[in-house]
Amino acid sequence: QPVLTQSSSASASLGSSVKLTCTLSSGHRTHVIAWHQHQPGKAPRYLMKVEQSGTYNKGSGLPDRFSGSSSGADRYLTISNLQSEDEADYYCVTWDTNTHIHVFGSGTQVTVL
Amino acid sequence: EVHLVESGGGLVQPGGSLRLSCAASGFTFSNYWMSWVRQAPGKGLEWVANIKGDGSEEYYLDSVKGRFTVSRDNAKNSLFLQMNSLRAEDTAVYFCARTEYDIWSAYLCFDYWGQGTLATVSS
Repeated sequence: QPVLTQSSSASASLGSSVKLTCTLSSGHRTHVIAWHQHQPGKAPRYLMKVEQSGTYNKGSGLPDRFSGSSSGADRYLTISNLQSEDEADYYCVTWDTNTHIHVFGSGTQVTVL
Repeated sequence: EVHLVESGGGLVQPGGSLRLSCAASGFTFSNYWMSWVRQAPGKGLEWVANIKGDGSEEYYLDSVKGRFTVSRDNAKNSLFLQMNSLRAEDTAVYFCARTEYDIWSAYLCFDYWGQGTLATVSS
């Protein structure tokens, strides 16, 4: 089954940009992934799907500051003009069409300085 | 507006059972897969199970197979998770999530989430 690798933490200054990486394991480099934001005590929020081609499909109402991209086995989430409300844990997840299971990355905690 | 509200969590002893519910509104419930995802204390998100819109397909995380059963009542717009033979490691906040199949990318995606219900397994 696929394994998704994420850095445990990232930080950037208010108003700057941060780029989060989700790396797919060997043999699963073509998988689609989705990004979700989770703030403690709240419902997680779907952000976007990112395909191997780099095409991304954003969730309803998501600000333009959020974008996705892809390179090889890596899928990216970029947050521009970072705001205090962007402090959260960000998870990538993929769905394996053969086994029908979903696999999450370990999550990246984003801190706004 | 899509709205998902979980209930049924609580404290149960190891080996016991709990039945979680998720009340859905704001969309045609029977048209969507639905999923359960959990988060153990201090840990990340972990998918648990999902069920197709008509209830004809179900899939489970290996560690819960044979112990957990996902079901739905489309007439009542409700999703359920029956959890038996509970273990300490099942302690978590359990979220229900609407799950949409995107035919263009052939991807099953969680697109709306509830706020979760806490299940604690402890003696």
